[in-house]
Amino acid sequence: EVQLVESGGGLVQPGRSLRLSCAASGFAFADYAMHWVRQAPGKGLEWVSGISWNSGSIAYAESVKGRFTISRDNAKNSLYLQMNSLRAEDTALYYCAKAQGQDPYSGKFDPWGQGTLVTVSS
Amino acid sequence: SYELTQPPSVSVSPGQTASITCSGDKLGVKYAYWYQQKPGQSPVLVLYQDSKRPSGIPERFSGSNSGNTATLTISGTQAMDEADYYCQAWDSSTGVFGGGTKLTVL
Repeated sequence: EVQLVESGGGLVQPGRSLRLSCAASGFAFADYAMHWVRQAPGKGLEWVSGISWNSGSIAYAESVKGRFTISRDNAKNSLYLQMNSLRAEDTALYYCAKAQGQDPYSGKFDPWGQGTLVTVSS
Repeated sequence: SYELTQPPSVSVSPGQTASITCSGDKLGVKYAYWYQQKPGQSPVLVLYQDSKRPSGIPERFSGSNSGNTATLTISGTQAMDEADYYCQAWDSSTGVFGGGTKLTVL
């Protein structure tokens, strides 16, 4: 069974940094692109970033470009999201999701983890 | 930037057919994906590549995509189908979600 478990969320002050992790199991992690998708409280879904199977292709939403960095460690079956210069509008539940194939620019998000909550507030 | 537009809410009686639309410029030349999210739960993929159902998704879920509109259709809607539904597509290497539609079964 495919499992994605996010961690690393918490309360952080504006302007500070936070690093999210996603531990994957039940599939050949190194063969698939991965994504981060977020959902602000009571709001809809927003794609944040995607990374190809070998980290050779990376994409970001305009809202996080230059502040967030996605990475992965295939040896550890783990996905990461380094979030710098955090803003109140980054407050959300952050999900990691498995991509359909090797590239981060197409395909479905399936499955999703349970999410980790990031709250940016002073 | 590319936008996908969904109706905020759709209501349907049990056993009837619910249709949820998703509109975007030339959406029909892209693939549309649909996700179901129940309160307090993570999203679940219900349709991919316009009309394909993942394993475990009931046959009552179907989809189409043409022109500027993709449609998720739920035939014989059941109470368990009450949820938020999001459409999604890719544009210029960016993932785009619609604003979501709350499906009420009453």
